[in-house]
Amino acid sequence: QKEVEQNSGPLSVPEGAIASLNCTYSDRGSQSFFWYRQYSGKSPELIMSIYSNGDKEDGRFTAQLNKASQYVSLLIRDSQPSDSATYLCAARSNNNDMRFGAGTRLTVKP
Amino acid sequence: DAGVIQSPRHEVTEMGQEVTLRCKPISGHDYLFWYRQTMMRGLELLIYFNNNVPIDDSGMPEDRFSAKMPNASFSTLKIQPSEPRDSAVYFCAIREKNTEAFFGQGTRLTVV
Repeated sequence: QKEVEQNSGPLSVPEGAIASLNCTYSDRGSQSFFWYRQYSGKSPELIMSIYSNGDKEDGRFTAQLNKASQYVSLLIRDSQPSDSATYLCAARSNNNDMRFGAGTRLTVKP
Repeated sequence: DAGVIQSPRHEVTEMGQEVTLRCKPISGHDYLFWYRQTMMRGLELLIYFNNNVPIDDSGMPEDRFSAKMPNASFSTLKIQPSEPRDSAVYFCAIREKNTEAFFGQGTRLTVV
C-alpha cells in the first residue's frame, strides 16, 4: 500500500466550476500536508500547506484536513483553464521525509 | 526553482553506461531529497539527507543507484550501470525544517 494515495483521474470540470481533489495517507504520524501543482514538463510548485484539522483558504484554493480520517482535500473554486495541471498531495512524517501521491490530472474546459 | 539547480537538464545515454546527476542548492536548507518521477509510479522518494548526512535510502531501487552529499552545496545521484527502465525525470528538492520542499527543474534521463 502506498503511503499517500490519490485518484489519478483524469478529472475534468467546466470553467467556473469547483474542482475537488482528494488524498488519503497511511502514516498516522504524518504532521504536515502539502498540495503541489505540476504543469506538463515542469517541476512541482507549492500551492497550499496545512498542518491542523479543518479548512485553510488562500484565494480560490481551500485545503481541508481530517487527521482522524487520514484525509486531505483541495478545492479549487471558479476553476480556470490555467488550473489544468497535475495536482500532487504530499505528507511529511515525523521522520521529516516527504512522500507524494501519484497525482491527479485536472483539466478545466473553457 | 530558484533555490535548486540541477544538471544536466536532459541526458541520453546507452544502457550500461554510468550516469551522474547533479544538484546544487543555492539557498538555505536542512534537508535534500532525490525523487524519481515516471508515469507508472508517480513521484518516488529515493533518498534524503539531513545536514549532508543520508537519513533514509530505502527508496533507492537497487545497488546500481548511489547518492552522495559531500557538502551543503552539492549532491550527486549516480546510476552504474544504467538500464532502460531507469528512464525517468529525476528531481532534487530542498527544505528547511518545518517548511515546504522546493524543487529543482529536474533531469530527464533516457537510457537507450
